[in-house]
Amino acid sequence: NAGVTQTPKFQVLKTGQSMTLQCAQDMNHNSMYWYRQDPGMGLRLIYYSASEGTTDKGEVPNGYNVSRLNKREFSLRLESAAPSQTSVYFCASSVRGEGAGELFFGEGSRLTVL
Amino acid sequence: GNSVTQMEGPVTLSEEAFLTINCTYTATGYPSLFWYVQYPGEGLQLLLKATKADDKGSNKGFEATYRKETTSFHLEKGSVQVSDSAVYFCALSDRTLGRLYFGRGTQLTVWP
Repeated sequence: NAGVTQTPKFQVLKTGQSMTLQCAQDMNHNSMYWYRQDPGMGLRLIYYSASEGTTDKGEVPNGYNVSRLNKREFSLRLESAAPSQTSVYFCASSVRGEGAGELFFGEGSRLTVL
Repeated sequence: GNSVTQMEGPVTLSEEAFLTINCTYTATGYPSLFWYVQYPGEGLQLLLKATKADDKGSNKGFEATYRKETTSFHLEKGSVQVSDSAVYFCALSDRTLGRLYFGRGTQLTVWP
């Protein structure tokens, strides 16, 4: 009954450090996404993967990289963290693409960059 | 283009009060509309959806009707509970572009 699992749930970084957020889903979904949520901004799409082996940029991809390791896992990497990347990050998955609208979200990862 | 506008929060209500959260949209085609809910410390969950004009989505006592003439999808509940305290997001999907557009969210707090 896990659904979408993200790790870590909390992380504090110093400017310039790198880290990877991990995401795994056990629903056999084709599509996976990374969003960031900032106060008053709603959710903004960073990157998505429509299927295993493909990744595409979303609305705010600068400063991030992603890897679709297999059908289950989709990781988000910050190579050189900046204070502007302080945010709550959500991984999501869906059977069909984002345009179908029915996404399943993880619990979020709160990242603070000092 | 596509966009979603939600009423500004926060919204504070007493238990058993009537709830309306306004949502209007701009779309280039024929979108589907959604309400997502985010409980404290959790990710978003799909609350209800409507795929065409005049459809009514409903779940857990919440309802929203897809009004093409007013480009609206307002969320309503007749009697809110403390457990309904959460952030509510209106969203629009564009199947042609394959994209989902979220509003900024409305914080609801219900007091006993």
